[in-house]
Order: sequence, then C-alpha cells, then structure tokens
Amino acid sequence: AQSVSQHNHHVILSEAASLELGCNYSYGGTVNLFWYVQYPGQHLQLLLKYFSGDPLVKGIKGFEAEFIKSKFSFNLRKPSVQWSDTAEYFCAVEPSGSARQLTFGSGTQLTVLP
Amino acid sequence: DADVTQTPRNRITKTGKRIMLECSQTKGHDRMYWYRQDPGLGLRLIYYSFDVKDINKGEISDGYSVSRQAQAKFSLSLESAIPNQTALYFCATSAVAQETQYFGPGTRLLVL
Repeated sequence: AQSVSQHNHHVILSEAASLELGCNYSYGGTVNLFWYVQYPGQHLQLLLKYFSGDPLVKGIKGFEAEFIKSKFSFNLRKPSVQWSDTAEYFCAVEPSGSARQLTFGSGTQLTVLP
Repeated sequence: DADVTQTPRNRITKTGKRIMLECSQTKGHDRMYWYRQDPGLGLRLIYYSFDVKDINKGEISDGYSVSRQAQAKFSLSLESAIPNQTALYFCATSAVAQETQYFGPGTRLLVL
C-alpha cells in the first residue's frame, strides 16, 4: 500500500515570501500525484496534478509542483505567497491504473501574515 | 463545488444512535467515495464505489456501512455512533480512470 508524508505540519510566512511544502510518498509502482487545498470553512479543491510527462506541473493561483521520481517527492512551490493563500494543503497519491484509491498526507497548515 | 452536495452539513448525535450521511452528485460520475478528516491525520478513505453494483472497503471501514442507491447517490451510515467517530466527513466523486476527485462541502459530525 502507498503512503504519503508531509513533513511540515504548520508553516507561517509573511506575504511575498516564497513557499515550498514537502511531500514524499512510498510506493513501488507508477503513481498519480495531487495537491489539494482546503481554505478555511471550505471543501477540498484541486490545486494541481501530475499523471505523466513534464515533471514540473503548474496549477492554479500561481502554484507549481515538481515530481522528482528518484526522491519520491512532489513538492509544492509558490514564489510569492499572499494572505489569501492561508489554508491547509494536502498532498495525495494514487497508483496508476484501475485501483483508484487516493492516499492523503496529514496536511500542512499554511498561515500567511499580512 | 455545488455539483457534489452533502446533507446534513452539521450533526450532533449521541452514542449508540444510528445516523446516515447523504451525498448526491450531478456530475454524472460513476465513482464515489467517503472520507473522514481528523486533525493531523489528513483524509482517510472509508468506503468507495466504482458503480452502483460495486462497493469496496477503504482504509477505515469498521463501524461504517454504505449504500449506493443510484449513480448519483452514495450514503454513509453509522449503525451505532461512538465518540471517536466525531470528525469531518467528505464525499467525493470521479469519472473513470485518470480523473480528479471532486469533493463535497463536508459534514461535521459530533458524537456525544
């Protein structure tokens, strides 16, 4: 079974600071990778996803993530955060193919100070 | 996403009571999922269904049951609620393989 680790449980940044949230997964085969965001009081929304191709994936709101297969990592980045980016961020992984079960990391709470 | 709705949005119940959480979707997706979210644990899969006749246990199915009444409806039941089932419950849907999951707004459940 796959597993996902998000090492940063809570990150506090000032506006305009750069962001990188770590995500590592454990699985022996090919995977699909996702980052979801949960704004306060709202449901999860997809930020970006990687299935194949260019390992640098661009998502909504200026976020991007890089899949590094050799490191089993899919870190989320944003060059300059805004107060409105305050939210909880979840990395998720699923095995490619017919067995479609998403496994989520424990989440990283990002607080951006104005 | 208004295409996936959950009722109720909030519920308080007592230990031992039976409770049902409902999920409906207008996205036309075949696949539906129930997750629970607990602080510091992320989301964990309870049950999932790939079509009306297909029900599968997820990571934490004990104490829960589900019913897929139609393509658009997937209900989660707690036959005898216990306090450690207090959590935020999310329903999600997806189309066939290689598709993103879309989440409902969540149901916040408190078991006293």
